[in-house]
Amino acid sequence: GAVVSQHPSWVICKSGTSVKIECRSLDFQATTMFWYRQFPKQSLMLMATSNEGSKATYEQGVEKDKFLINHASLTLSTLTVTSAHPEDSSFYICSAPTSSGNTIYFGEGSWLTVV
Amino acid sequence: QKEVEQDPGPLSVPEGAIVSLNCTYSNSAFQYFMWYRQYSRKGPELLMYTYSSGNKEDGRFTAQVDKSSKYISLFIRDSQPSDSATYLCAMSASAGTASKLTFGTGTRLQVTL
Repeated sequence: GAVVSQHPSWVICKSGTSVKIECRSLDFQATTMFWYRQFPKQSLMLMATSNEGSKATYEQGVEKDKFLINHASLTLSTLTVTSAHPEDSSFYICSAPTSSGNTIYFGEGSWLTVV
Repeated sequence: QKEVEQDPGPLSVPEGAIVSLNCTYSNSAFQYFMWYRQYSRKGPELLMYTYSSGNKEDGRFTAQVDKSSKYISLFIRDSQPSDSATYLCAMSASAGTASKLTFGTGTRLQVTL
């Protein structure tokens, strides 16, 4: 079964509204989680590194005020897309290294459609 | 030049064939190598994890890493239609919580009956 869970799997929102996506590690604690974005038929692009108890680290070109990340606990990180626009429509995926650090598991992903 | 190069395919093979998927990379700091399988509209699923050079086998899957050539491969034996998916190679310079992955673009595989 899944070791990293994302919710919701699908979300449609109106332009200008905000959407929150949750990423939970199951059965293990993750001090760090990663958020990716994937456009159709393209590879995953790292957006930011979520750090429990501290600020997220954003990749170059990613607007931190638009993509708010909160790592509230050792098993939960959230990504909030603020003032969403149609160009934000994409597949958002989180990942987390296991406690041993040897492997990285991905969530099932969240499809965001902004209309 | 991208850090990780992967032929996007699509690669079409008949059922039962041996499939070879490859990635090349330029960053000699990479030490941890992974292969993920991604079905359409789903998150990536970890298939193989390899540290440094060498081979690793798991069922019908074999991963090879040649650090001297900066080249990694994934072989799938006795391919099945259910193997049809996009295969992503990924690599990192460190393990654990510092492990930011760099991905290839993915190779789309189609296994036909």
